[in-house]
Amino acid sequence: GESVGLHLPTLSVQEGDNSIINCAYSNSASDYFIWYKQESGKGPQFIIDIRSNMDKRQGQRVTVLLNKTVKHLSLQIAATQPGDSAVYFCAEIPAGGTSYGKLTFGQGTILTVHP
Amino acid sequence: KAGVTQTPRYLIKTRGQQVTLSCSPISGHRSVSWYQQTPGQGLQFLFEYFSETQRNKGNFPGRFSGRQFSNSRSEMNVSTLELGDSALYLCASSLEDRVRYTFGSGTRLTVV
Repeated sequence: GESVGLHLPTLSVQEGDNSIINCAYSNSASDYFIWYKQESGKGPQFIIDIRSNMDKRQGQRVTVLLNKTVKHLSLQIAATQPGDSAVYFCAEIPAGGTSYGKLTFGQGTILTVHP
Repeated sequence: KAGVTQTPRYLIKTRGQQVTLSCSPISGHRSVSWYQQTPGQGLQFLFEYFSETQRNKGNFPGRFSGRQFSNSRSEMNVSTLELGDSALYLCASSLEDRVRYTFGSGTRLTVV
């Protein structure tokens, strides 16, 4: 039969608020975790990555937190702007040499920022 | 610095035909990966090439194939197209590290 489309989680915030996007991952052997942003009509754009031996990493207006105990990853965006509206994906890279190029993506979260 | 360039941007093909998609990576990037993006399955890894060698492959049927040229440009081919092959096909390139991939804007393939 027909496949059911993914029902992406959505997050709506007001401009200037902080946003938190969550992601649960499955592979405890993953070596790197990455956040991507995808705007309509474009490919995913790298935001920030974090290695599995870290708990937190900060970038410009973004912070990624990694909780390996519960296999949870989050992306915090400070002072969210309308230009941040997009679909956000977490991705994981397994450890080991056979992971070349293979990002395993989560389902994505739609972020909408209202002016 | 030019980004990852994928051609064509849009393509309409008939069931049973074959299609070739092209990807030009960022200059100096030697690793090229391909992904299929659909509403039903999300982003799924197809294969990765480095120095003209396929190093990794996802779980797609043999109708999906690819290659990489000596200048790192890559092509992917889908033979005997099915309606379910309608998707956005994304190419990504990276330097030798396996983390920071830069994606192109994709080729939107519609099979009718």
